[in-house]
Amino acid sequence: DTGVSQDPRHKITKRGQNVTFRCDPISEHNRLYWYRQTLGQGPEFLTYFQNEAQLEKSRLLSDRFSAERPKGSFSTLEIQRTEQGDSAMYLCASSLEMGTPRDTQYFGPGTRLTVL
Amino acid sequence: DAKTTQPTSMDCAEGRAANLPCNHSTISGNEYVYWYRQIHSQGPQYIIHGLKNNETNEMASLIITEDRKSSTLILPHATLRDTAVYYCIVRAKNTGTASKLTFGTGTRLQVTL
Repeated sequence: DTGVSQDPRHKITKRGQNVTFRCDPISEHNRLYWYRQTLGQGPEFLTYFQNEAQLEKSRLLSDRFSAERPKGSFSTLEIQRTEQGDSAMYLCASSLEMGTPRDTQYFGPGTRLTVL
Repeated sequence: DAKTTQPTSMDCAEGRAANLPCNHSTISGNEYVYWYRQIHSQGPQYIIHGLKNNETNEMASLIITEDRKSSTLILPHATLRDTAVYYCIVRAKNTGTASKLTFGTGTRLQVTL
């Protein structure tokens, strides 16, 4: 396995701009998760996909946020009209199966977003 | 998912065993204990998980008390590279829907020379 990859690793944007992040999960992992982590806190769940279906969204995922996984492989997370409060590390994780010991989530390196 | 309680920070001398405790007194029978760690500015790294038996892998050992209300992660020979925030997470075995992880603030382990 090559691991979960995320792109870009760092993004600086001005308030009001739109940004999009990409996550490539471990190949054949059918579950993909997005988390957000602010300074000094643990990661917080945002949303997850099983294959191409988005099955749960956290209340943290406001209507400015949208996530897709169109072919059940890579995923994108878009933030529209960014605000300074969106500054955080955005983490992606993937796992193979639900409800078994193999359903262990493996994380990517994250995308650090700074909104000026 | 049950809540966990961990010390905010711990120190350990390099080469010594690091024993990181976690309290999960409200854990239920179908919940696993997971441990992740996060080195500064990196994504969380999976370490180990267990249900009720003690577990060991190449990274660490996990000791779960008989009543399952607490556990200890053991790094047998800590090195400077083990300096990180360690998260203890309880998660249901068969979640049905989301198998999301609920992170607390973890234990900041500082390994020193």
